[in-house]
Amino acid sequence: DAGVIQSPRHEVTEMGQEVTLRCKPISGHDYLFWYRQTMMRGLELLIYFNNNVPIDDSGMPEDRFSAKMPNASFSTLKIQPSEPRDSAVYFCASSPDRDRPSGSTGELFFGEGSRLTVL
Amino acid sequence: DQQVKQNSPSLSVQEGRISILNCDYTNSMFDYFLWYKKYPAEGPTFLISISSIKDKNEDGRFTVFLNKSAKHLSLHIVPSQPGDSAVYFCAASTLYNFNKFYFGSGTKLNVKP
Repeated sequence: DAGVIQSPRHEVTEMGQEVTLRCKPISGHDYLFWYRQTMMRGLELLIYFNNNVPIDDSGMPEDRFSAKMPNASFSTLKIQPSEPRDSAVYFCASSPDRDRPSGSTGELFFGEGSRLTVL
Repeated sequence: DQQVKQNSPSLSVQEGRISILNCDYTNSMFDYFLWYKKYPAEGPTFLISISSIKDKNEDGRFTVFLNKSAKHLSLHIVPSQPGDSAVYFCAASTLYNFNKFYFGSGTKLNVKP
């Protein structure tokens, strides 16, 4: 079974350009998460969706960031305009629906990440 | 403001010895904790979890200990193997927002042969 698929794996762009990162979650998973990894802050949750609906976007840094999930098998994270401080690895993760205390581990399944460099 | 903290950015251990990775949290509402392992150029993968109703959970060479009064958890790896060399993240969530996991900044473990 395919895992979470992210593209592109690497993106190098110039300041001011638009960046679009893409994610295909595991089929059947109801939750989709976007995280950003930096040296200083580790893994930060940017936004997550449940059944394609954004539930919590309080981690989105500013209005330059936007995320969409038009259907259950696709999500995008867009940065417009990009800035050098946006340079990071962006991870997408998905998980099945779960309701504690069902015994589920609460595991998130991560993609391999998209490394963004803004010059 | 980070609610989950891993204060040791790196740890080096000899093969066969115990590795102890630490994690502290500030939010007393956290009641579910996980550890993830991450190899370079890969996404994090789930390792082990613990609920606040327990103070220990064991899975093979990996044991997680939870000290609620100290708001501290630790991951013990015994015996450590070179293949355990990776970045380890701890994460926490609350009962009322189970799906929102807060991650620490990670600890890079190096197990020397």
